[in-house]
Amino acid sequence: NAGVTQTPKFQVLKTGQSMTLQCAQDMNHEYMSWYRQDPGMGLRLIHYSVGAGITDQGEVPNGYNVSRSTTEDFPLRLLSAAPSQTSVYFCASSGIAKNIQYFGAGTRLSVL
Amino acid sequence: GDSVTQMEGPVTLSEEAFLTINCTYTATGYPSLFWYVQYPGEGLQLLLKATKADDKGSNKGFEATYRKETTSFHLEKGSVQVSDSAVYFCALSSGSGNTPLVFGKGTRLSVIA
Repeated sequence: NAGVTQTPKFQVLKTGQSMTLQCAQDMNHEYMSWYRQDPGMGLRLIHYSVGAGITDQGEVPNGYNVSRSTTEDFPLRLLSAAPSQTSVYFCASSGIAKNIQYFGAGTRLSVL
Repeated sequence: GDSVTQMEGPVTLSEEAFLTINCTYTATGYPSLFWYVQYPGEGLQLLLKATKADDKGSNKGFEATYRKETTSFHLEKGSVQVSDSAVYFCALSSGSGNTPLVFGKGTRLSVIA
């Protein structure tokens, strides 16, 4: 069981560079979400999706784009990275009406 | 809006000590409540949950009771082990289906032998 797979595990970017954090799940879950984890801040929701073709903003969406073209994949795009986006990013998924989220192992991103 | 407040850490305990991590919440309606655990270098995983008042969630020796009158969901374990060292997150979800989770800031627990 792969569950939720995030790639890469680590990434270093320069300010202004763009990149995509990948997230894939093999549990046929409808709901997927992206969080960032910062010291003393807990987890904050960036974007989420309740199904293919549907996305919505969370608490801290600025600077990030998402799309959901398939049930399995939910990539997170940074169009122009900033040092404030240095963080650990987690992707999560859950099945309809179960409200239990399964998390990936995270991507540690540093923006210099 | 909805919010979760949990005790500040870090918490350091000796092996076999009793653990309590306090969690209180503010939410409309009747939220579902969760404790997630994050072991070093890993993502979060569900530890236990409760979906209605007076429900007790339990797993791996941990327990938490949904107290509507005090809007609390404190995590307890009678005898901690070194392997319980992790960060613990209290969370809630209002409404039905897959509404976004609201997390507390996390409490780091270190258990020393």
